[in-house]
Parts: sequence; C-alpha cells; structure tokens
Amino acid sequence: GQQVMQIPQYQHVQEGEDFTTYCNSSTTLSNIQWYKQRPGGHPVFLIQLVKSGEVKKQKRLTFQFGEAKKNSSLHITATQTTDVGTYFCAASGSARQLTFGSGTQLTVLP
Amino acid sequence: KAGVTQTPRYLIKTRGQQVTLSCSPISGHRSVSWYQQTPGQGLQFLFEYFSETQRNKGNFPGRFSGRQFSNSRSEMNVSTLELGDSALYLCASSLLASRTNTGELFFGEGSRLTVL
Repeated sequence: GQQVMQIPQYQHVQEGEDFTTYCNSSTTLSNIQWYKQRPGGHPVFLIQLVKSGEVKKQKRLTFQFGEAKKNSSLHITATQTTDVGTYFCAASGSARQLTFGSGTQLTVLP
Repeated sequence: KAGVTQTPRYLIKTRGQQVTLSCSPISGHRSVSWYQQTPGQGLQFLFEYFSETQRNKGNFPGRFSGRQFSNSRSEMNVSTLELGDSALYLCASSLLASRTNTGELFFGEGSRLTVL
C-alpha cells in the first residue's frame, strides 16, 4: 500500500522560533491534507492541497505541495505555545483512502 | 451543528472478548472512516463506509469488522481481542463523495480501548 514518510518525529523549539515538518511519498499523490492533534485531543483538519506546486497560507502557517506532487511541507513562523501538538500529513493516491504520516510532535518552550 | 459522536469513550476488556464501538457522523455526512491510533503505529486506516457499503479496507485482520446503517451511523467490531488491540479508535466523517478525494475529515473524540 501507499506509504508516506514524515520527518522529524519530534521537534522542540523555543517560542518565537520557526518550525517545519516534511512529508514524502514515493508515488504521485492526488492530494494531501494536514491535521493537528493537540495532546489528549483528536485530529483537526488544517488544509488540503491539490495542485502541483500549490502554496497556501493560514496566518503563521505555510503549506506547500511539491511540483511532482510527491512531497509536502508545513512551516510555522514564530511559534507560539498554542502551536503545541502533533502535526500529521495525510495523503491520497489513486484511491480514496487517506494514508497518514507518522506525525511530528511539536513542543514549544516558553 | 453537532460533531462526530463516538461511544463509549473509554472501555476495558480482557483478551478473547469482543467489543463494539459506535460512531454517529455529522448530519448529512454519508462517509464514515475508522482509524486505529497507537503511539507506535500512528494513525492506521481500518475501513471506510459510504451509503452502507464498505468502500475501502485497510490492512487489518478479519477480527476487525464494521458496518454502516441507513442513517449513516456506523459501528466497528473487534472480536477475540488481543493485547495489541489496545488503542484509540477514531471515527471520522466526511461530506465529499469523490472517488479519489475524501475531503475534510471530521474526527470524533475517539474510543479508548484497553485490553487486559
């Protein structure tokens, strides 16, 4: 089945520093979604990327979809303590099934 | 608009028993997916139902089964429980019916199963 590799697994940053998590697939993706899961919570949808080379921004968050539609990244500028949580990418290939990356657990130190 | 509701939230079972988990999707959502979340394996896809039909199935043994009712509510069942089945079971509903795009998934709070 389809596999999506996500790195890093953990990231500790000082408040105010930037943060980036990456997802990579060996196959071309139909689309990719990003979710955030707060500690003790459930995943919450952030965004979906569909087009090759697509870049979308949500305030301090920037999402990119690679030109070959095989990789994606989420970048947070000037992290805040409210950004704490695990960020997951989730990808669809030729089928409808979403495959989740292993997640990046972000810790923000005040 | 009410969110996705999962019951029970917590349950403890012993090896060999079976368990049934319930999920009520957001009103109007006809697609329901189930995921198993564990610290070691992350979020693993179990299956997806749409209009009472299983559309996709993940790589889990036959002990894991599910169904969807005409009102879109879904249940999943795990028989002959094993210690390794201890996990958070998440249900997600979605509105989009595209063949290759689930659209945004709305997750419930999950059912945390502990197998002793």
